[in-house]
Amino acid sequence: EVQLVESGGGLVQPGGSLRLSCAASGFTFSSYEMNWVRQAPGKGLEWVSYISSSGSTIYYADSVKGRFTISRDNAKNSLYLQMNSLRAEDTAVYYCAREGSLHSGSYFFDYWGQGTLVTVSS
Amino acid sequence: SSELTQDPAVSVALGQTVRITCQGDSLRSYYASWYQQKPGQAPVLVIYGKNNRPSGIPDRFSGSSSGNTASLTITGAQAEDEADYYCNSRDSSGNHRYVFGTGTKVTVL
Repeated sequence: EVQLVESGGGLVQPGGSLRLSCAASGFTFSSYEMNWVRQAPGKGLEWVSYISSSGSTIYYADSVKGRFTISRDNAKNSLYLQMNSLRAEDTAVYYCAREGSLHSGSYFFDYWGQGTLVTVSS
Repeated sequence: SSELTQDPAVSVALGQTVRITCQGDSLRSYYASWYQQKPGQAPVLVIYGKNNRPSGIPDRFSGSSSGNTASLTITGAQAEDEADYYCNSRDSSGNHRYVFGTGTKVTVL
């Protein structure tokens, strides 16, 4: 059974840092591309970042570029999101999501974790 | 950057059919995927590709696409289908950057 379990969320002051983790199991983690998606309270879903299966290719949403760093450790079956210079608008539930694809033109997130809440407030 | 637009809310009578639409330029190049999210829960993939359902998703869920518009149809809506629905696709840059739709709240009457 595929499982993604996030951890590391919590309350942090504006300007502070936090590192989120996502522990994967039930599939060959090193073969899959991974993403972080967030959802502010009462708001919609927002894609945050992507990392290729090897970790060599990375993309960020403009809203977090320069402040967040995605990484992975395939030996530990883990995905990470280092968040620096946090702002109130970064307050959200953060989900890790496995990426799937059928063919060129069809991409999707087939498994999601339960999410971890990050609250940025003084 | 790309945007995907959805109607904020729709309602459907129990057992009837409802269609949710998603509009955006990126849909001319990429298929949309669709996610169901119930309160306090993580999103769940319900449709991907041209019209594919993951294992466990009822066949009353179907997808279609034309031009810059993707649609999710629930045929014979059930009470448990009441949820928020989001579309998603890669953005028009062609890289692994994604955009979500604004979301549609489906109410089953």
